Amino acid sequence: SQQGEEDPQALSIQEGENATMNCSYKTSINNLQWYRQNSGRGLVHLILIRSNEREKHSGRLRVTLDTSKKSSSLLITASRAADTASYFCATDEGSNYKLTFGKGTLLTVNP
Amino acid sequence: NAGVTQTPKFQVLKTGQSMTLQCAQDMNHNSMYWYRQDPGMGLRLIYYSASEGTTDKGEVPNGYNVSRLNKREFSLRLESAAPSQTSVYFCASSARVRGQGYEQYFGPGTRLTVT
Repeated sequence: SQQGEEDPQALSIQEGENATMNCSYKTSINNLQWYRQNSGRGLVHLILIRSNEREKHSGRLRVTLDTSKKSSSLLITASRAADTASYFCATDEGSNYKLTFGKGTLLTVNP
Repeated sequence: NAGVTQTPKFQVLKTGQSMTLQCAQDMNHNSMYWYRQDPGMGLRLIYYSASEGTTDKGEVPNGYNVSRLNKREFSLRLESAAPSQTSVYFCASSARVRGQGYEQYFGPGTRLTVT
């Protein structure tokens, strides 16, 4: 069953705007990861945040994690047309070797 | 480094036929995974191999078998294909060793259609 659930399911913005996607999950985690998938391609890892971290930055990406609310958000600042893709959160419970993926947010950045 | 490679890229099968999807990684990763991706369903784990010599069922294992041939290779077999197995299949690998990362690296996918 799905652990992470992204919100919104789809998001359309203009180039230069910021995009925020949210992820909620159900059980305790060791870390939470965000991935990007361009149409027809495999997933690419973007960023990992550990359960004892609250915020992490990587370039134009900012991820927050609130373990008390079992939620995470991914912010993409100053978006570009090339950021158009589906974004997935994935939770790692740590006790096994698996990630559990959400259903994704489809981000469209209009030039 | 090629990363994670998958063959074939596309395949059309008739109901009842069998086939094996091949996956190989050149990153010396311990763990390997097979997922399927269907519209609106995200990625669902079929089988995984935590380390060479072990395999375990994921969320949707019925109708599939796997073989971890060696550390590099992890194959997925459909013994008797059904239309419900029409999907895009992704292989992934991960180091899962402290200090080497827990992220997964994905192959380009195999688009399988069963008629």
